[in-house]
Amino acid sequence: DAGITQSPRYKITETGRQVTLMCHQTWSHSYMFWYRQDLGHGLRLIYYSAAADITDKGEVPDGYVVSRSKTENFPLTLESATRSQTSVYFCASTQGPGNTIYFGEGSWLTVV
Amino acid sequence: EDQVTQSPEALRLQEGESSSLNCSYTVSGLRGLFWYRQDPGKGPEFLFTLYSAGEEKEKERLKATLTKKESFLHITAPKPEDSATYLCAVQERGYNKLIFGAGTRLAVHP
Repeated sequence: DAGITQSPRYKITETGRQVTLMCHQTWSHSYMFWYRQDLGHGLRLIYYSAAADITDKGEVPDGYVVSRSKTENFPLTLESATRSQTSVYFCASTQGPGNTIYFGEGSWLTVV
Repeated sequence: EDQVTQSPEALRLQEGESSSLNCSYTVSGLRGLFWYRQDPGKGPEFLFTLYSAGEEKEKERLKATLTKKESFLHITAPKPEDSATYLCAVQERGYNKLIFGAGTRLAVHP
């Protein structure tokens, strides 16, 4: 039971480069989420998706792009990375409202 | 605006010393309140979901309770392996996203 896998787990990139963080879940969950976690802010929602081809903005969407062409994948793209996007990124998924939301192991991104 | 506040920010306990973590919340209509445990370098691990005031759930040394304005995570006779950050999150009716508190860092010393 693989659950949710994120890749890469660790990434260092330069300011202005495009970076894509991948998220794959094996449960066929309808809903998927991207959160970022920073000291002093806790977990903040970037984008979420209710189903394939349906996405919506969360609390901090600026500078990020998502897509969901397949139910099991939910990639997060930083179109032009900035130092303020240095963070730990968590992908999550759930079957539906009120159900448990499961998290991946995280992707550590450093923008230099 | 939905808000979740956890206290204390950090808590140090001796092994066997019971205590409680607090999560106070403001939400228009609560669908569920979630507790997670997070170890360093790991993703949040699900512990409990509480849906209505008065509800209680237990797992080993942990017991979560819910009122209309707050939730408590009671830790009975903690062990060093209970050391982690405990996160509280609320889900509002009509939405599926979680709003998280900043967490409580728990350290249990032998």
